[in-house]
Amino acid sequence: AAGVIQSPRHLIKEKRETATLKCYPIPRHDTVYWYQQGPGQDPQFLISFYEKMQSDKGSIPDRFSAQQFSDYHSELNMSSLELGDSALYFCASSPGGSSSGANVLTFGAGSRLTVL
Amino acid sequence: AQSVTQPDIHITVSEGASLELRCNYSYGATPYLFWYVQSPGQGLQLLLKYFSGDTLVQGIKGFEAEFKRSQSSFNLRKPSVHWSDAAEYFCAVVPMDSNYQLIWGAGTKLIIKP
Repeated sequence: AAGVIQSPRHLIKEKRETATLKCYPIPRHDTVYWYQQGPGQDPQFLISFYEKMQSDKGSIPDRFSAQQFSDYHSELNMSSLELGDSALYFCASSPGGSSSGANVLTFGAGSRLTVL
Repeated sequence: AQSVTQPDIHITVSEGASLELRCNYSYGATPYLFWYVQSPGQGLQLLLKYFSGDTLVQGIKGFEAEFKRSQSSFNLRKPSVHWSDAAEYFCAVVPMDSNYQLIWGAGTKLIIKP
């Protein structure tokens, strides 16, 4: 079965550089979520999109932006990278919009960003 | 404050032994409840979920969890663990009044002794 695809799996950047992470949801899933998981931490919600519109916003820094495209894939853009941005970034997708608490999220394997 | 608590940061069990991982939540109404597992360097995989109905839910990989309203708990159990169960386990909830944001526990790292 198709899963949530994230790329790249690993990314190394230097401080003040820019990084872009991509997420391809499960087919027919129209809602995408981004989470950040620091070392030894639980995942922190960043932002979500439903039908290409931002549906909810969490603890996403102003230096980060994201969007969902017409094919439902999403990209997380991170600028002016800081050492503290080093983390595992998860994308998850679900069907039916983010307004239903009964939606189950399927997570990708994550993109590990290391900022040097 | 609304929260999800996993009181055990680490748990060590012998292979073949039974397992129980604890999860408590503090919300006014019963939220939607989930257990996810994260193997080292891997994504989060859903083990099981509770929305309503039978309070004992069965999941994948031989796991089950029991919702106890009186204790605001949703503990994860497995009768006999395998070495491949070594991973970090996260309890998560979606409060009824939220816009579907998963609220995560801090996680419990399961270590299996041979």
